[in-house]
Amino acid sequence: TQLLEQSPQFLSIQEGENLTVYCNSSSVFSSLQWYRQEPGEGPVLLVTVVTGGEVKKLKRLTFQFGDARKDSSLHITAAQPGDTGLYLCAGVDDKIIFGKGTRLHILP
Amino acid sequence: DTGVSQDPRHKITKRGQNVTFRCDPISEHNRLYWYRQTLGQGPEFLTYFQNEAQLEKSRLLSDRFSAERPKGSFSTLEIQRTEQGDSAMYLCASSLSGTGSSLTQYFGPGTRLLVL
Repeated sequence: TQLLEQSPQFLSIQEGENLTVYCNSSSVFSSLQWYRQEPGEGPVLLVTVVTGGEVKKLKRLTFQFGDARKDSSLHITAAQPGDTGLYLCAGVDDKIIFGKGTRLHILP
Repeated sequence: DTGVSQDPRHKITKRGQNVTFRCDPISEHNRLYWYRQTLGQGPEFLTYFQNEAQLEKSRLLSDRFSAERPKGSFSTLEIQRTEQGDSAMYLCASSLSGTGSSLTQYFGPGTRLLVL
């Protein structure tokens, strides 16, 4: 069974702080994706990482993919209340397997 | 086309009743996926279609669950004899064919089911 473990499960920090959340896979997928989900909505794709060692930036969000392509991290700089949500990592082959997510709450 | 739509957005039913949900994918997408998400969990894969063919079903999909995509466009997910454990958000997603880095799924807003 392919598993993706995300940590921490919950994170509550003050606006302006930096944070990092992690995703570790039990196996190697063709690619790994990060999504953000708000309450009552479906997940929205943020980024896809494919190559070991890859780093992608999306404004204040930095995504890293480990050399072995089994671990990934999401770093947010100067967090804002609008960053609040559930951050999901997902392993992609012919279908997508999701981790349980990190629930992030940014306090104003 | 504004994206994936799902109907209804919310459904409350009594245990033992049957419910049916509908998903309309992005029009040019030939793949359609169903997921279930319970509180505090990520979405769990249930099944997916390529055109009208159902290509894979999860072990999570008991015989009370059935999904169809008769014309390769919209899909329905039916749950028969609902149980309280079926309470969850049911998400639909669509994509073009592809694997790995070329697979980008677009999710609908979900149908939230509460079984009393």
